[in-house]
Amino acid sequence: KAGVTQTPRYLIKTRGQQVTLSCSPISGHRSVSWYQQTPGQGLQFLFEYFSETQRNKGNFPGRFSGRQFSNSRSEMNVSTLELGDSALYLCASSFSTGELFFGEGSRLTVL
Amino acid sequence: ILNVEQSPQSLHVQEGDSTNFTCSFPSSNFYALHWYRWETAKSPKALFVMTLNGDEKKKGRISATLNTKEGYSYLYIKGSQPEDSATYLCASTEAGSYQLTFGKGTKLSVIP
Repeated sequence: KAGVTQTPRYLIKTRGQQVTLSCSPISGHRSVSWYQQTPGQGLQFLFEYFSETQRNKGNFPGRFSGRQFSNSRSEMNVSTLELGDSALYLCASSFSTGELFFGEGSRLTVL
Repeated sequence: ILNVEQSPQSLHVQEGDSTNFTCSFPSSNFYALHWYRWETAKSPKALFVMTLNGDEKKKGRISATLNTKEGYSYLYIKGSQPEDSATYLCASTEAGSYQLTFGKGTKLSVIP
């Protein structure tokens, strides 16, 4: 059974640009959640989707957005990038509210 | 927003030692408590998901307990091995919420 796949794994952007990250969940998983990890911080919750509906959103500015497609694949977008957006972005899938299965993450560097 | 605290932040133990970490979380409106192990350059992997007060779970040399009334969980590792070196994360969720709130983790280093 294939795991959670995130693309791209690494990317470098400059301030003001936008970025789109992709996440393919484990087959059959309908819940996809996104987390941001920065040095010294725990995993910060961004949002969670289930069957194309956003069920929860974390405390992040509106520059952070996401969506989920009918095949459960999810994307998150960050517009007008700031230096502080440099982080590891993790995606996780699950059966509704069960244990999370994480991808290896997308490491974003903003210059 | 939940406040999930983990202690200690880091610790070093000798191979063969047993150790334990603490996770504290709000006890009101509790739904579930998760433990994850995150090894360097890998993705976090679930150890346990616990929901019932007094619950105890075990996987090999690792076990966890849960006290939902006072809002804490302990993770125990018996006879630590170098391969146990990792960051251990706990996370809590409230009833009716789909948001898992993580603590900052406990980084364990096992010295051979």
